[in-house]
Amino acid sequence: LAKTTQPISMDSYEGQEVNITCSHNNIATNDYITWYQQFPSQGPRFIIQGYKTKVTNEVASLFIPADRKSSTLSLPRVSLSDTAVYYCLVGEGNTGGFKTIFGAGTRLFVKA
Amino acid sequence: SAVISQKPSRDICQRGTSLTIQCQVDSQVTMMFWYRQQPGQSLTLIATANQGSEATYESGFVIDKFPISRPNLTFSTLTVSNMSPEDSSIYLCSVDWTGQNIQYFGAGTRLSVL
Repeated sequence: LAKTTQPISMDSYEGQEVNITCSHNNIATNDYITWYQQFPSQGPRFIIQGYKTKVTNEVASLFIPADRKSSTLSLPRVSLSDTAVYYCLVGEGNTGGFKTIFGAGTRLFVKA
Repeated sequence: SAVISQKPSRDICQRGTSLTIQCQVDSQVTMMFWYRQQPGQSLTLIATANQGSEATYESGFVIDKFPISRPNLTFSTLTVSNMSPEDSSIYLCSVDWTGQNIQYFGAGTRLSVL
């Protein structure tokens, strides 16, 4: 499993776009990049997953450069409710039940 | 997405006792996972539970301390045995029902050991 490195914490203000970058220099060919969000007293929640280039859903965008050694989660126009811990994980997709190892995550604080 | 229910949601236990945590999924899944999350920390994988076979434990976790059952494709239990205050933590179960390495988590069980 590739190791990931993220900033420990980030601050933002409501309405701003937030970009959280994750480094994964040892990513393997079959690895996908997956991001989770965790609020206090809740289990992590899947946000987005990608393999290369750009993926967008109703919650976020994920940008992955050609070398795939990093990825950036982009949250458009954050609100106070986006204050949470965000985890970047790298591992094989489409393998059915492959275990997930969590890194330290990034604590995002959104201020009014 | 799969709906995952954990019971109990929280408990306060005495040192030396055991607690069994239940995890129920509304879909059949091959693998279920158990995690521990200590206060302010990230999640640590305890074990992977396959239906019909022994659970696979991660380094630092042993079956005598954290026995796991997986009687069918929708249910699993984790027992925290002979508890000490160091076992105070949140315990979470998760499943990957899509087969795409996307985990879905229960709300967790908050355990406090006195």
